[in-house]
Amino acid sequence: EVQLVQSGGGLVQPGGSLRLSCAASGFTFSSYSMNWVRQAPGKGLEWVSYITSRSSAIYYAESVKGRFTISRDNAKNSLYLQMNSLRDDDTAVYYCTRGGIDYWGQGTLVTVSS
Amino acid sequence: QAGLTQPSSVSMGLRQTATITCTGSNNNVGSQGVVWLQQHQGHPPKLLFYTNNNRASGISERFSASRSGNTASLTITGLQPEDEADFYCSAWDTSLNERLFGGGSKLTVL
Repeated sequence: EVQLVQSGGGLVQPGGSLRLSCAASGFTFSSYSMNWVRQAPGKGLEWVSYITSRSSAIYYAESVKGRFTISRDNAKNSLYLQMNSLRDDDTAVYYCTRGGIDYWGQGTLVTVSS
Repeated sequence: QAGLTQPSSVSMGLRQTATITCTGSNNNVGSQGVVWLQQHQGHPPKLLFYTNNNRASGISERFSASRSGNTASLTITGLQPEDEADFYCSAWDTSLNERLFGGGSKLTVL
C-alpha cells in the first residue's frame, strides 16, 4: 500500500523558516518524481514545487521561487520542503504528492502569523 | 496567476447527471494528460482519473472523463448524496514548467 506520511508544520512568525518532511512507503520512491501542493484555508489547490526522481530537474511556482527549496533523500525514502522568509499568504495545508499527483499525504498545516 | 478554468459550482438533482468542464490551452490540457481529483471537506484530494480518461482504482463507473481539444470534462451519472464534494482538474503546463490546477468546482446534489 502506497503511503505518504508527512511531518513538520506548525505556527511560525512572518519571516521565519520551517521544514516539511514526507516519508514514502509502499512503492519504489527512487523511481518517482514528487510534488508539493498547498491549499490555503477555504481556497483551491495550488502547486508549489516538483522534483524528478534523481533530483535532476526541479521547478517552483513563482509565488515561492527563491524562498522555498524542495529536496529528497532516496536512501531514506523521504521528500522535504525547506520554507524560508515565510509570509502570511503562505498559510495553508501542505500536501506531498507522488509525481502524477496520484497519491497524496495527509497534509500538514503551516500557519504564518505574528 | 495562470490556471485552468472550471465552473465554481454545479448543482443537479439526485440520480441526475452532472458535467464539470476544465478549459486550458495547447500548452496544458490540449497536450498533456489531465488529472481529475475529488476532495471531501476536511480530507486530502483523491485521484479520480489520470491521463485524461483512465479511471483510478476503486472509482465507480458512474464517473467518466474525456478530453476534446483544450477542454476536459468530468461526468457523474446517477448522482448520489456522497458525490457532493469539490472537484479539481490539473495538467502540467509545458510552457510554464508548472502544474496547473483549476479553481475547483463545488458539486451540490439537490
